[in-house]
Amino acid sequence: DAGITQSPRHKVTETGTPVTLRCHQTENHRYMYWYRQDPGHGLRLIHYSYGVKDTDKGEVSDGYSVSRSKTEDFLLTLESATSSQTSVYFCAISPSKGEAFFGQGTRLTVV
Amino acid sequence: EDQVTQSPEALRLQEGESSSLNCSYTVSGLRGLFWYRQDPGKGPEFLFTLYSAGEEKEKERLKATLTKKESFLHITAPKPEDSATYLCAVQRNTGNQFYFGTGTSLTVIP
Repeated sequence: DAGITQSPRHKVTETGTPVTLRCHQTENHRYMYWYRQDPGHGLRLIHYSYGVKDTDKGEVSDGYSVSRSKTEDFLLTLESATSSQTSVYFCAISPSKGEAFFGQGTRLTVV
Repeated sequence: EDQVTQSPEALRLQEGESSSLNCSYTVSGLRGLFWYRQDPGKGPEFLFTLYSAGEEKEKERLKATLTKKESFLHITAPKPEDSATYLCAVQRNTGNQFYFGTGTSLTVIP
C-alpha cells in the first residue's frame, strides 16, 4: 500500500455537528485529494490540494472545507454535518504527474 | 464538460470466459487515462496508466488499450479472484484532478 492513512475509519455523528477527517501520507507527494463515493455516483471530487496551504474546490464542495498546513496532512471538515453527507470518503495522493493512490476510506454516517 | 462513461454497469462471466469492459470519455486535452480495481470495503487500487492513442498495457490476465475516444479493459480467461469493481478515470492536461466513471462490477463464477 502507498503510505496513506485515513482516520478515523468509521464514524457515526449527529446532524449539525462538525466532523474532521484526516489523511496522512508518508510519500511526500505534492497533490492530495478528498473524494466521496456513493452508489450510482462513483467517486466525486470534494476538494484537492496542490501544496501546503494551496487548495481548490472540486465538483461537490458545498458544506466541506479543507486545510493543509503540512505536506503530509490534509484535513477535511464537515462544518455542520447533514444526512446527505453520509458516505464513504477517500483520500488520494499523487506526484506532479501520474496516477493517484488511494487510502482505505472512512465510512461516515450522519444520524 | 468532461465526462467518463463506463459500460456495462455489471458483468457476470463464467471462469475462463474472456470479455471486455468499456470506458468512453470526453475531455478537453487528455493527459492520461487510468484504470483501477476496487474490492468491497477497500480503496481503489491502481492498475494501469495510458497516455496516448494506440498504447497498450498488460498485467496478468488484464490488458488495457486506448483510442482517442475510449479505452477497453480486456480480461482473458478470468478467475473468481478477478471479481471486483473496475473504475476508469481521466486527467486533463491542465490541472491535476481525476474524473471517474461509475465503474463496472465484475463477477466471475467458478
